[in-house]
Amino acid sequence: GAVVSQHPSWVICKSGTSVKIECRSLDFQATTMFWYRQFPKQSLMLMATSNEGSKATYEQGVEKDKFLINHASLTLSTLTVTSAHPEDSSFYICSANIPGLAGQQYFGPGTRLTVT
Amino acid sequence: GIQVEQSPPDLILQEGANSTLRCNFSDSVNNLQWFHQNPWGQLINLFYIPSGTKQNGRLSATTVATERYSLLYISSSQTTDSGVYFCAVISGGGADGLTFGKGTHLIIQP
Repeated sequence: GAVVSQHPSWVICKSGTSVKIECRSLDFQATTMFWYRQFPKQSLMLMATSNEGSKATYEQGVEKDKFLINHASLTLSTLTVTSAHPEDSSFYICSANIPGLAGQQYFGPGTRLTVT
Repeated sequence: GIQVEQSPPDLILQEGANSTLRCNFSDSVNNLQWFHQNPWGQLINLFYIPSGTKQNGRLSATTVATERYSLLYISSSQTTDSGVYFCAVISGGGADGLTFGKGTHLIIQP
């Protein structure tokens, strides 16, 4: 159980365009999902917390107007990278926890974004 | 915010050897997880262990919450154990995101 999927697994886009990444909880409902970013050979950094039915909470230094998060249902959160630039190229990973299970998080397989 | 330090940063071992990875954290935690990141980037859940000891096959983990550290033990290492091992914690409530350490890069040579 506790499977989280992401789509797409990789995407290449041109500078200035926008790209949407989906994160789905497949076998449970997630009122909260999390988005992380990982640059090459570095650790994961929390970008934002996605709350179903309300606005996302962004970590310090993460531009909320650039990284749009929508958590429209209990099984889907989306991250849209707007006006992408090469420095946005990274590995984006989402996670979710099962309500009532004390915060253990389950991670999606990640999306590798390359901006040319 | 909470600080998470992992050691060693790199570890090279021969197949069959045992290893111990350490995670120190700067504040009390409600959640501590160990992950193995495979070459494709997927994070594999190893342990959810905010306190106590757990074992799963050749892997075991111990968290001493009062002393703010956790250890991951790998016995009889196999080449498939290679990869990056991350420790991640939450010091606040269950609705908070994880804070990750920088990881230990483990290479198991045949």
